[in-house]
Amino acid sequence: DVKVTQSSRYLVKRTGEKVFLECVQDMDHENMFWYRQDPGLGLRLIYFSYDVKMKEKGDIPEGYSVSREKKERFSLILESASTNQTSMYLCASRDPGQGVEQYFGPGTRLTVT
Amino acid sequence: GENVEQHPSTLSVQEGDSAVIKCTYSDSASNYFPWYKQELGKRPQLIIDIRSNVGEKKDQRIAVTLNKTAKHFSLHITETQPEDSAVYFCAARGNTGGFKTIFGAGTRLFVKA
Repeated sequence: DVKVTQSSRYLVKRTGEKVFLECVQDMDHENMFWYRQDPGLGLRLIYFSYDVKMKEKGDIPEGYSVSREKKERFSLILESASTNQTSMYLCASRDPGQGVEQYFGPGTRLTVT
Repeated sequence: GENVEQHPSTLSVQEGDSAVIKCTYSDSASNYFPWYKQELGKRPQLIIDIRSNVGEKKDQRIAVTLNKTAKHFSLHITETQPEDSAVYFCAARGNTGGFKTIFGAGTRLFVKA
């Protein structure tokens, strides 16, 4: 059974802080994704990673960066958090050799005050 | 860019009735269409998917239809039950843009007992 975990379920940060969101998957999946989920907007892709040390911008990368130093871990970084980054952040992973289904983590609800 | 529109945003049905959620996509190269169910406070989970070489797929009380010519696909839930209450997301994935999957904005389904 695929397991995708995220470091925090709830996080409160101040404007201007540097924020790290961690995602770990235990199924040796090559692809990993970061989405943000906002009411009425669905899931929007921030960044994705084909494999270790590889990353591609999604649809809304501004204000974010990512790091994938190890296959199982994909980190989302908010260099200087702003209030408009208050959202639910979802990580997902996928093994392209086994199909196209993405497996999601439980989400991190980030509030920036 | 690629876009997926989903309607309605909210749907309320009586237990036992059918529910239909419709999505349209813009990228004619899209070839995989998953549907995710997200219960309150939980992660999105794949419930059914369809590929572009198939017009319809059924799994017990849920079915998905695809009209490639019109570029729309629909989720049908029959004999709805209170536990079907959740947010449902459609998505489309194509051959362009790498591994990107574009999600609809979501439909909040309420099943009244």
